[in-house]
Formats: sequence, structure tokens, C-alpha cells
Amino acid sequence: GAVVSQHPSWVICKSGTSVKIECRSLDFQATTMFWYRQFPKQSLMLMATSNEGSKATYEQGVEKDKFLINHASLTLSTLTVTSAHPEDSSFYICSARGGTLTEAFFGQGTRLTVV
Amino acid sequence: RKEVEQDPGPFNVPEGATVAFNCTYSNSASQSFFWYRQDCRKEPKLLMSVYSSGNEDGRFTAQLNRASQYISLLIRDSKLSDSATYLCVVISYNFNKFYFGSGTKLNVKP
Repeated sequence: GAVVSQHPSWVICKSGTSVKIECRSLDFQATTMFWYRQFPKQSLMLMATSNEGSKATYEQGVEKDKFLINHASLTLSTLTVTSAHPEDSSFYICSARGGTLTEAFFGQGTRLTVV
Repeated sequence: RKEVEQDPGPFNVPEGATVAFNCTYSNSASQSFFWYRQDCRKEPKLLMSVYSSGNEDGRFTAQLNRASQYISLLIRDSKLSDSATYLCVVISYNFNKFYFGSGTKLNVKP
């Protein structure tokens, strides 16, 4: 299947700092990227959907000023968690689809711990 | 109402058993359906697509019932390695949103 690379795989940061997570499609052009958050023992929750060159569409309850999403190219989307707090600690996963692909392929996920 | 609903389980079954999961969706205009598998602390991986006519891949059979708005996954001859969380995914009409069920946890025991 197609390859999506997410970086970093884990990060620990201090409360109040910002963290950027990158999601790259390596062998296809990702016209749409999705960002999910998963708390322990819970399902993936869609945070936002971004189309290349457009503003992201955020799901209800997700603060767009706190979770900044940029999808400036067909192979890269970034999620920046601004002024992170301990309650933002979670597993963040991106997925991408594009071209003739109907299914989504996932990055490896980023485990964020805010201390 | 959630877009996609699943029984969280866990389903505890012995090796060799047959087990089935269902997943219901709320949007009748949904276009495409998939089953993903997620192992603990890993990203979800596509298991199989779900077609209206039903499809089979080895020990796995997926079916779609549009009238009742549910999809199902049947696993025959369960293996220990089948232990995981199984997520159903529904794609919205405009093809731009993937909605995941909460996942059904399967434990296959020796």
C-alpha cells in the first residue's frame, strides 16, 4: 500500500510550548489529509480535514486556533499544537488519501506527552 | 447520534472460533466502507474494503447492508494473531471525511 510518514513518533514538551507534527505522503499525492487524536482505550477521533491549498475544516469542539493545520503541498501536512497543556497529551495520527486511492493510509502516529 | 457505532467488546473467543462484528452508520448517503485493524499503540491498517455484494479474503468476510445501514465482519477459524481492535470506517458522501467506529476489541485465547 501507499506510504505515509509521520514525524516525530514521540515527543515530550513542557506545558505552554508548541509542538509541530509532520505528515508526509511518500509515494502519492495526498489531496486530502486527516488528523486524528486517540486517547488511551478510546477510538480515533477526527480533528480536522485538510485539502491541499485550502483551509482545514475542523470538527465540532476542536479549537482551530490551538491546533493549527497547514497543508501547503500535495505531500506534506503539519499539525501544530500551540501552548500545549497536559490534557493535550494524546496519540495523534494523520492519514492521507489522493489520486485514485479510495482508502486512507495512516502515518505511524505521534505520542505527545505534555509535562 | 454518532456517525458510526460499534460494540466495543471485548469479544473473548477460543482459537478456531468464528466471530462476527457489526457496525451501524447513520448517514444513508455514505459511499464507501472499510474495516481497519489496530494493534495496541500502533496506527490502524486497512484490513479490507466492504462491497455491496459482500467480499471474502481468506478467513475474513465483509458484508454491507445498505437498507439497514450496517456492515459486518466475520472471522472464521480465529488465530491468536487476530487479537486486535477492529475499526469500521465509513466515508461520507463528498468523499472527504472518514468516520471511525469506536472499535471492537477481539481477544483470541489458546
